Amino acid sequence: GQNIDQPTEMTATEGAIVQINCTYQTSGFNGLFWYQQHAGEAPTFLSYNVLDGLEEKGRFSSFLSRSKGYSYLLLKELQMKDSASYLCAVSTSGTYKYIFGTGTRLKVLA
Amino acid sequence: DSGVTQTPKHLITATGQRVTLRCSPRSGDLSVYWYQQSLDQGLQFLIQYYNGEERAKGNILERFSAQQFPDLHSELNLSSLELGDSALYFCASSALRDREETQYFGPGTRLLVL
Repeated sequence: GQNIDQPTEMTATEGAIVQINCTYQTSGFNGLFWYQQHAGEAPTFLSYNVLDGLEEKGRFSSFLSRSKGYSYLLLKELQMKDSASYLCAVSTSGTYKYIFGTGTRLKVLA
Repeated sequence: DSGVTQTPKHLITATGQRVTLRCSPRSGDLSVYWYQQSLDQGLQFLIQYYNGEERAKGNILERFSAQQFPDLHSELNLSSLELGDSALYFCASSALRDREETQYFGPGTRLLVL
């Protein structure tokens, strides 16, 4: 079967660093995406990984290991506005389907 | 603003009824995706269209159907509505440039079935 696992909830302190993990099992792989979604709003694109390694974009970095079926999103210098759900999604090759995890709800405390 | 528009923003209807949700993709994007997100649930992929043709099908019920028109806008039709169909319905579009199929999401249509 196809599956994406993420922790349901995480809590961190303003100014800290947090790592949100994602493991996946899919038939084929064409890239892994991270999206941010505030409650009741649309998901917004954060990062894309298709090759192994780390992609850095400002305060956000994303890592991928295809052999391990593993990715993480690293958020540095946390701000209150980072409180949101973070969705891990995999694009499966050949079927053009996207599979989303249920998301990790991050709470940033002052 | 992602550039993807969806109408209506809110929809309240009764069980057994039929509704149509509309999506206009970003300028130049050929792919449109539809997703359902129920309360505290992840995004469930429903269906994808590329340049007017159905490209991939996910967990879409037989009571639901969609199409993409020549001007690339898309409609999702939901019929014989049930209480459990109450959800946020998102449309997304992508350009399918190279291998990076980043999807840009519209603001969603919140459907409430009473």
